[in-house]
Amino acid sequence: DTEVTQTPKHLVMGMTNKKSLKCEQHMGHRAMYWYKQKAKKPPELMFVYSYEKLSINESVPSRFSPECPNSSLLNLHLHALQPEDSALYLCASSQEPLPNTEAFFGQGTRLTVV
Amino acid sequence: SQQGEEDPQALSIQEGENATMNCSYKTSINNLQWYRQNSGRGLVHLILIRSNEREKHSGRLRVTLDTSKKSSSLLITASRAADTASYFCATASGSARQLTFGSGTQLTVLP
Repeated sequence: DTEVTQTPKHLVMGMTNKKSLKCEQHMGHRAMYWYKQKAKKPPELMFVYSYEKLSINESVPSRFSPECPNSSLLNLHLHALQPEDSALYLCASSQEPLPNTEAFFGQGTRLTVV
Repeated sequence: SQQGEEDPQALSIQEGENATMNCSYKTSINNLQWYRQNSGRGLVHLILIRSNEREKHSGRLRVTLDTSKKSSSLLITASRAADTASYFCATASGSARQLTFGSGTQLTVLP
């Protein structure tokens, strides 16, 4: 199994809603990442988990809350989002924490905040 | 934050032609990686070149790295319509422990 699986594929939520994005990998990778990508822009790092511990938070607003329940799962909890948070949210994993390896990406969750 | 620039921003070629994309970056790196992204989907890793390597091949892909100029190029030979995608370079450095992506090149291969 060489996949990173993200659910849901699409999500529409209101500004007062609470929702969660899920990411799963069964490759035994020890680092997992959340990226945000706006249209026609490169992915921007949000969070890094290494060995199930949060190691990097790129000054992301608290309305985004990551969680790593175990080494295979990564969640991103969303609360009180703004329309400008609409984007493609990408999860990735790597065998070991970067830099000396490649990252495997999921297909993303297309989030629309209304 | 964005590490560097890619050029061109967009490239349109005929099937069978070669496509060359360039990437410039700003800081010292452990390696440089290239990824492909089909429209609105996830990124697929193509190739990784380490800072002590100058050239690497994988199938129809050829990557070069010039650390003195802080630049890299990706050559796709004998392009196919299925190569139509956005291509991103990404740098990885020991201190940052993350991938930082360039601005991307949108490649269109016309049948």
